[in-house]
Amino acid sequence: ETGVTQTPRHLVMGMTNKKSLKCEQHLGHNAMYWYKQSAKKPLELMFVYNFKEQTENNSVPSRFSPECPNSSHLFLHLHTLQPEDSALYLCASSPPGALTRDFGDGTRLSIL
Amino acid sequence: KNEVEQSPQNLTAQEGEFITINCSYSVGISALHWLQQHPGGGIVSLFMLSSGKKKHGRLIATINIQEKHSSLHITASHPRDSAVYICAVGGGSRLTFGEGTQLTVNP
Repeated sequence: ETGVTQTPRHLVMGMTNKKSLKCEQHLGHNAMYWYKQSAKKPLELMFVYNFKEQTENNSVPSRFSPECPNSSHLFLHLHTLQPEDSALYLCASSPPGALTRDFGDGTRLSIL
Repeated sequence: KNEVEQSPQNLTAQEGEFITINCSYSVGISALHWLQQHPGGGIVSLFMLSSGKKKHGRLIATINIQEKHSSLHITASHPRDSAVYICAVGGGSRLTFGEGTQLTVNP
């Protein structure tokens, strides 16, 4: 069991659907991250939030929309995704500025 | 060319064998991580090191800053060690990840 919880664990959606991924941490961390992991590729940083403020958007298409209502919760809203968006989406948290990361178990997303 | 290169990409071993996974990087770093990812997807941190060597149970990690190279060793490997092992290097608050090494240990 990790300190970072992601739901759902698996998601299958059509290209016209709207869905949201949820991440929750109770580690007292103030930095939260979304990463994308495609098959045989390194983890790619998507977004960074520090103290609820977005501090990094790594040129992510607008069909991915993050939301961080408080330091414990992070969402990734999905809309009109493409088949190449099928991947494992990992949430992580850390103390601000730290190189450590606590990862969730990920959401396996499949776009039909 | 990736900033972080791991070798081998895939590794199959028999239970009990000594295993080495290598990581080379091309950027300046303040720390290097070894991470383990099981088939379910979750990632756990094994080591964070900036110099020398660290040991935890059957796992040993070494780093040579001058050569920009790190190794992860597993002694007396076991099927439960089967996982993807990921090297990540850090500078500032940013981490850059390698592609991972898929390790399979057969009984």
